[in-house]
Amino acid sequence: AQKVTQAQTEISVVEKEDVTLDCVYETRDTTYYLFWYKQPPSGELVFLIRRNSFDEQNEISGRYSWNFQKSTSSFNFTITASQVVDSAVYFCALSEAWDDKIIFGKGTRLHILP
Amino acid sequence: TAGITQAPTSQILAAGRSMTLRCTQDMRHNAMYWYRQDLGLGLRLIHYSNTAGTTGKGEVPDGYSVSRANTDDFPLTLASAVPSQTSVYFCASSGQAGGPHNEQFFGPGTRLTVL
Repeated sequence: AQKVTQAQTEISVVEKEDVTLDCVYETRDTTYYLFWYKQPPSGELVFLIRRNSFDEQNEISGRYSWNFQKSTSSFNFTITASQVVDSAVYFCALSEAWDDKIIFGKGTRLHILP
Repeated sequence: TAGITQAPTSQILAAGRSMTLRCTQDMRHNAMYWYRQDLGLGLRLIHYSNTAGTTGKGEVPDGYSVSRANTDDFPLTLASAVPSQTSVYFCASSGQAGGPHNEQFFGPGTRLTVL
């Protein structure tokens, strides 16, 4: 069965520090999709990235980067030079190709302290 | 473009009463979803619909029902509310190609309190 584990419930870092949010997934499928979503204090959910299982290239978007490693079933998210506006709950999610659903992890609440 | 709208924004409901949470999207997405978000439990899928006329059960479907009469609307009904259904409810949709494997767009949420 598919499962997403975000072991870090809550993280606090000082502004400008780098921070990595961990995501470990379980799946029986060879074709699957991984996602990260951000939920700022305002409550809306915002899509950040989608990655399919055949594309292990790391992705960088500004201060955000993602490290996908199939060998360890991980899809970690790093924020470089964090800013207060990065404070949010971040969700990792998984969708298997054969399934109609997406499963979310329980989220990591990130506090960026000024 | 409005994207996804949900109504009401919040509601206080007496236990035993019924309620329908409304969700409408204007993106012509085939797939739609209902999630509940509870502290410490993240987002859990209640029901989903891959296309108009079809629905499926998610992780926590008990006590909820849905219908998908057309592409745009996906109402969630609580037939007889219980306090454990106190939660924030999010509706979402995803694009025509790839369904759930595409990015999901979320509504603003409905905060429901059952007393």
